[in-house]
Amino acid sequence: GAGVSQSPSNKVTEKGKDVELRCDPISGHTALYWYRQRLGQGLEFLIYFQGNSAPDKSGLPSDRFSAERTGESVSTLTIQRTQQEDSAVYLCASSFPTSGRTQARNEQFFGPGTRLTVL
Amino acid sequence: RKEVEQDPGPFNVPEGATVAFNCTYSNSASQSFFWYRQDCRKEPKLLMSVYSSGNEDGRFTAQLNRASQYISLLIRDSKLSDSATYLCVVNVVGGYQKVTFGIGTKLQVIP
Repeated sequence: GAGVSQSPSNKVTEKGKDVELRCDPISGHTALYWYRQRLGQGLEFLIYFQGNSAPDKSGLPSDRFSAERTGESVSTLTIQRTQQEDSAVYLCASSFPTSGRTQARNEQFFGPGTRLTVL
Repeated sequence: RKEVEQDPGPFNVPEGATVAFNCTYSNSASQSFFWYRQDCRKEPKLLMSVYSSGNEDGRFTAQLNRASQYISLLIRDSKLSDSATYLCVVNVVGGYQKVTFGIGTKLQVIP
């Protein structure tokens, strides 16, 4: 079946512009995550959606970052007034919900990422 | 102290060698543990889950030590294709899933 898809695959923008990144999770996956990965660095958790629960926004680095999710489907990550330090690969992942599941069902499936370059 | 700590490496090992990585976690409520693999400029992919009794998948063996709060990954008979970054992942499941990734350990297998 189809995996997690993200668009665009690459985005080059000018400092100060807003950008919107999109993630389509695997059908049936109610959990969705956004991560940021700077060049040569580890994954940095940004935000987590689980069904209709309030999202965990604890990883968002500033109020310029926001994310929305429509039900249990598409999610968009918006970065306003982009800065050069926002340049990174933004990864989206989805998984089944964990409640009552075996550990194996916690596996996160990642999309290919969006490479954002802020000039 | 970081929630999940890994030695970033790089670990440079010859083909055929055995190599082991450790990962320590700080939250004793952690319940699920995984190793992911990330190839250069690619997204992470699940390598294996880590179970309490330890588990093996071919040349790969994962262990969990709850008392000392660490997990390990052992790779036997290293192949060139094993060259990648290995990410330790820890879940604290409590009403919802809180996932923390380690920074990753880079492995380079040398011919």
